Amino acid sequence: ETGVTQSPTHLIKTRGQQVTLRCSSQSGHNTVSWYQQALGQGPQFIFQYYREEENGRGNFPPRFSGLQFPNYSSELNVNALELDDSALYLCASRGGAGAYEQYFGPGTRLTVT
Amino acid sequence: QQQVKQSPQSLIVQKGGISIINCAYENTAFDYFPWYQQFPGKGPALLIAIRPDVSEKKEGRFTISFNKSAKQFSLHIMDSQPGDSATYFCAATGANNLFFGTGTRLTVIP
Repeated sequence: ETGVTQSPTHLIKTRGQQVTLRCSSQSGHNTVSWYQQALGQGPQFIFQYYREEENGRGNFPPRFSGLQFPNYSSELNVNALELDDSALYLCASRGGAGAYEQYFGPGTRLTVT
Repeated sequence: QQQVKQSPQSLIVQKGGISIINCAYENTAFDYFPWYQQFPGKGPALLIAIRPDVSEKKEGRFTISFNKSAKQFSLHIMDSQPGDSATYFCAATGANNLFFGTGTRLTVIP
């Protein structure tokens, strides 16, 4: 186990709704990244937060947004859900922006109907 | 555009055999190359990683071979076991985010 936890485990939403996913980083890790993993694909980078600031973003629209809190826990928010947003959402933490090793949580399975 | 290309897509190996998964990249700015193992319903688990200043790294039954000039790296799993059956992802990074390959589904037959 990596010590990275995510909630909820599974979630079903309707197209057009909004969703918030949560992540608790491994102890001592101040950098968190979020990834989207479609079925049968590798994870795709959404964005990264370091000390509560977004400091990197992948090719995802602005309706994907995030927050990082002083205790380094994090949220991923997705507005105006689309069917293609159905995926496993993973967060990964690491011990600082200069650390290379990223440790993943178990993910949240989001289904949009 | 796929930053990291991975092959094969699937692999079936007999117990005790050697599993080999290959990856290639284009961006010479990449300077860290991890491999992740993922079981169904779980998040990816960091297996082993290498920096481009070494050509090989071994941890137990897992070895990464790295060819900087060819921009290729591979994972070798020696004495493959049924418990190794999982999806394996290579990845690369040079800044903040990891670029993942498309994955290899490994099945080890008893």
